[in-house]
Amino acid sequence: GAVVSQHPSRVICKSGTSVKIECRSLDFQATTMFWYRQFPKQSLMLMATSNEGSKATYEQGVEKDKFLINHASLTLSTLTVTSAHPEDSSFYICSQNWGDTQYFGPGTRLTVL
Amino acid sequence: GQQVMQIPQYQHVQEGEDFTTYCNSSTTLSNIQWYKQRPGGHPVFLIQLVKSGEVKKQKRLTFQFGEAKKNSSLHITATQTTDVGTYFCAGNSGGSNYKLTFGKGTLLTVNP
Repeated sequence: GAVVSQHPSRVICKSGTSVKIECRSLDFQATTMFWYRQFPKQSLMLMATSNEGSKATYEQGVEKDKFLINHASLTLSTLTVTSAHPEDSSFYICSQNWGDTQYFGPGTRLTVL
Repeated sequence: GQQVMQIPQYQHVQEGEDFTTYCNSSTTLSNIQWYKQRPGGHPVFLIQLVKSGEVKKQKRLTFQFGEAKKNSSLHITATQTTDVGTYFCAGNSGGSNYKLTFGKGTLLTVNP
C-alpha cells in the first residue's frame, strides 16, 4: 500500500507561535491530500483538501487564515497552524488516495502550552 | 451534509467473545471503508466495500455492506487481545474528491 510520512511526529510549542507540519507521499505522486484533526477519544474530522498547484478546499468552520495549507509539489503538502493556542492542541493526520482507498500518515501530535 | 453514525461507542469483551460494530449513513454511499486505530497510533485501512449487499472476510473479521448502501457492520469472531483498538467506518459519497466522512468509532477493549 501507499506510504505517507509526516514530520514532526510530536511538537510542543508556546501559545502564539506557528507550527508547520509536513506530509510526504513516498510511493507515488499525489495531486490531492487530505488533512484531518483528531481530538482525544474523538473521531477524525476533515479539515481541508489540499490540491497540488491550487488553493486548498476548507471544510465548514475551519479558518483558512489560521490553518495554512501549501501543496507546492506532487509529493509534499504542508499544514501551518498560525498563532497556535491551547485549543489547537490535537492530533493532525494527513492522508492521500490510492484508487478509492485513503492511506494515512502516522500523525503529528501538537501540544500548545 | 452527510452524517455517519456508528454504534456502540465502547465495547468491552472477554477474550474469545464476539464483537460487532454498526454504521449507518444519512445518505447512500458509493463505498464504505473500515479502519483500525490502535491507542496512540494512526488509522490503518482494513477494507473497502463497494457493492450492495457485499460481504467480505479477513480471517476472523467479517464486513457487510447493506443492500441500500447506507449501512455496514464489522463483526469479529472470537476476539483476541490484539484486536484492541478503535474501529472506524468511513463513508464515501462518490465523485472525484474521494472525501470520507468518518463515524465516531467504536473502542474495543478485550479482557484476557
